[in-house]
Amino acid sequence: AQTVTQSQPEMSVQEAETVTLSCTYDTSENNYYLFWYKQPPSRQMILVIRQEAYKQQNATENRFSVNFQKAAKSFSLKISDSQLGDTAMYFCAFMKPSGTYKYIFGTGTRLKVLA
Amino acid sequence: DAGVIQSPRHEVTEMGQEVTLRCKPISGHNSLFWYRQTMMRGLELLIYFNNNVPIDDSGMPEDRFSAKMPNASFSTLKIQPSEPRDSAVYFCASSPGGGQYTDTQYFGPGTRLTVL
Repeated sequence: AQTVTQSQPEMSVQEAETVTLSCTYDTSENNYYLFWYKQPPSRQMILVIRQEAYKQQNATENRFSVNFQKAAKSFSLKISDSQLGDTAMYFCAFMKPSGTYKYIFGTGTRLKVLA
Repeated sequence: DAGVIQSPRHEVTEMGQEVTLRCKPISGHNSLFWYRQTMMRGLELLIYFNNNVPIDDSGMPEDRFSAKMPNASFSTLKIQPSEPRDSAVYFCASSPGGGQYTDTQYFGPGTRLTVL
């Protein structure tokens, strides 16, 4: 069975600085998808970035980028130039692209951006 | 596109009452998911539909919970009778179920349920 681990329950970063959130996963699959979702205080779950395991190039979306290391089963999220609006819970998720399309979520990292 | 729509946004009820949560997925999406989020258990998948058919309901806690999807644009999650331990935020999500972005789930704003 697949598992997703986020080992940092809480983190803080100064505004305009860079922060990296960790995510590791365990799977025997070769092809899969990985996601980072953001949940601000409004509680809306917002997709931040997605990565396909067969792609070696790390995904990037504006200030958000990932460091995907398939062999190490690691999928960290880097937020550059942190903004106050980045304050949120961040969830890492794994999906096997066959069968039920179910997500396996990590327990989340609470990020606070300090002014 | 309006995104996934959920109603009500907040629901307060008394123990023993029936509660019905509603979801309208994104038009054209053919997969729909119901999640429950609590501090203790995090995000839990309750049930998943594909083309209006329940595919996996292994996460449904007990017989008090039921979900239906009578058509492609509407789903309900019902709790009868409700209990205080059902208090949580319930999310509905949909995904295209085909094409390039089969995998990506889009979440609604959630319903915060409080059972007194």
